[in-house]
Amino acid sequence: GAVVSQHPSRVICKSGTSVKIECRSLDFQATTMFWYRQFPKQSLMLMATSNEGSKATYEQGVEKDKFLINHASLTLSTLTVTSAHPEDSSFYICSARDPLRAPHHGYTFGSGTRLTVV
Amino acid sequence: DAKTTQPNSMESNEEEPVHLPCNHSTISGTDYIHWYRQLPSQGPEYVIHGLTSNVNNRMASLAIAEDRKSSTLILHRATLRDAAVYYCILRDGGRGGNNRKLIWGLGTSLAVNP
Repeated sequence: GAVVSQHPSRVICKSGTSVKIECRSLDFQATTMFWYRQFPKQSLMLMATSNEGSKATYEQGVEKDKFLINHASLTLSTLTVTSAHPEDSSFYICSARDPLRAPHHGYTFGSGTRLTVV
Repeated sequence: DAKTTQPNSMESNEEEPVHLPCNHSTISGTDYIHWYRQLPSQGPEYVIHGLTSNVNNRMASLAIAEDRKSSTLILHRATLRDAAVYYCILRDGGRGGNNRKLIWGLGTSLAVNP
């Protein structure tokens, strides 16, 4: 149980274009999802917390107008990288946890999206 | 959030046990100890978690020190597929609910030799 599906797994886009990444909870309803970014050889950096039906909470230093998050349903959150630049090339990962599980249980992660901006 | 300290890298031979240590000297009473692992080009994967008692599951065992200031993830028989970065993270089981953030360190990169 508690499966998170992330799509696409890999995307290459031209500089200046926008890219949308989807994160779906397949067998549970996720009121909260998390979006991370990971550069090579580095750890996961939390970008924002996505809340169903309300605005996302962004971490300090993350541009909310550049990284648009929409969590319109209990099973889908999307991250749109707008006007992408080569420095946005990274590994983007989403995460969620089943709220019906006890608070101390672990999170489930998507398989990640490798974004390359050329 | 309480901080954890792990060795940068470890090496093991296939079919042998692996003990991955983690220090968390500032752990609080409500912090659960979580372990995740990340295979190359994959999202992290939950491995195991515990509070005070040792825990076993199909993937690994978690040994928690009596004072809870350290823990050890045990892979009983390492396989080549266990080569990954292993993260030890503390998560407050009491506050925040679903919005509780995980603070990620650099983890331990485990290499498994055939």
